[in-house]
Amino acid sequence: EDQVTQSPEALRLQEGESSSLNCSYTVSGLRGLFWYRQDPGKGPEFLFTLYSAGEEKEKERLKATLTKKESFLHITAPKPEDSATYLCAVQANLWGSQGNLIFGKGTKLSVKP
Amino acid sequence: DADVTQTPRNRITKTGKRIMLECSQTKGHDRMYWYRQDPGLGLRLIYYSFDVKDINKGEISDGYSVSRQAQAKFSLSLESAIPNQTALYFCATSDGDTKPFFGPGTRLTVL
Repeated sequence: EDQVTQSPEALRLQEGESSSLNCSYTVSGLRGLFWYRQDPGKGPEFLFTLYSAGEEKEKERLKATLTKKESFLHITAPKPEDSATYLCAVQANLWGSQGNLIFGKGTKLSVKP
Repeated sequence: DADVTQTPRNRITKTGKRIMLECSQTKGHDRMYWYRQDPGLGLRLIYYSFDVKDINKGEISDGYSVSRQAQAKFSLSLESAIPNQTALYFCATSDGDTKPFFGPGTRLTVL
């Protein structure tokens, strides 16, 4: 069964304190791994898509990496405005779940000034 | 104008009432989705549609129905709402294998 597990559930950081969020997955043929950011009461906002092991993508203070079993979202010198819930999702091959995304439960990040 | 619009944004209703949530998009995407989000459970797929004539059940379709009125419109109905359907509902769209683009959400409360 395709599955996505995110850890930790919640993470509190001081401003400037770098850390990483983890997304472990099991999927029958990975087509893509997605990271989204979600602010309270709003829809998820796309951050990155990773397609193959070894791939990395960066955006401002965020860097996403991918291995065959997990993905990390590294946050370097975070600011309070980085506080949000970060969602990870995998897209299996089309013959599995018709390519629909399977989401993890998210990691709630709080960055204090 | 927003690419994906959901109406209403908030709704409070009573058990047994019929409720319709509407979604419209201007992105020109063929695929549309309805998700439900509950605290601690993440986003779960209710229904999805790859085009006007193609509608499929997702992980948690019981108690829900959908209608794809046009390429740009996808509605979700709760025929007889119950309290455990209280949740945040999101519509999303995508074009083939591209990332889904989410709407702003509808907060539904069933008393």
